[in-house]
Amino acid sequence: QITLKETGPTLVNPTQTLTLTCTFSGFSLSTSEVGVGWIRQPPGKALEWLALIYGNDNKRYSPSLKSRLTITKDTSKNQVVLTMTNMDPVDTATYFCAHRRTAAGATGAFDIWGQGTMVTVSS
Amino acid sequence: DIVMTQTPLSLSVTPGQPASISCKSSQSLLHSDGKTYLYWYLQKPGQSPQLLIYGVSNRLSGVPDRFSGSGSGTDFTLKISRVEAEDVGVYYCMQSLQLPLFTFGPGTKVDIK
Repeated sequence: QITLKETGPTLVNPTQTLTLTCTFSGFSLSTSEVGVGWIRQPPGKALEWLALIYGNDNKRYSPSLKSRLTITKDTSKNQVVLTMTNMDPVDTATYFCAHRRTAAGATGAFDIWGQGTMVTVSS
Repeated sequence: DIVMTQTPLSLSVTPGQPASISCKSSQSLLHSDGKTYLYWYLQKPGQSPQLLIYGVSNRLSGVPDRFSGSGSGTDFTLKISRVEAEDVGVYYCMQSLQLPLFTFGPGTKVDIK
């Protein structure tokens, strides 16, 4: 059974750097066909994809946020870390991590999501 | 960048009645590999999104058969044949064909009359 859980601060000050950790189980992030992505959702608004990392360390970023994002993985700990610099109140959102598999026969979608973690940016 | 639009943005349905949501992409989602990279999610109140449909029309295991997806190119539809109370929430379409790699629609909120 695949599970993912996001952890991180609930409150950050403007201009600070946000660090979120996704701890997962039930799969190995060690091949090019498996990935973990980050998606966020401001209160009452739509979903926005942020970043994705594959088991071969291939990384993808949203072009509009690329300069502020870094995604890394620690395979030994089954964790994926997202950092976002220069946080602003508009970045207030629930941040989700999700599993993706692109092998033949897989959905290719973000098929399993964590519960999400709410991050408020305010002084 | 591919832009995803959905109509309607809100839908109120009588239980047992059908519902239909349209999703349009600004560019074709048909890849040269023959696959179309369009998905449907449901986010129930207070929950994370759950995948319903992948590849336009393939239901994820465990998804009731009252949900169906159709379409091609730039025009797609999610249909619920008979809406049940547990189907309330916000429905999102998502594409994974082009940069940004993953783009969600604005969402369609479905509630029960």
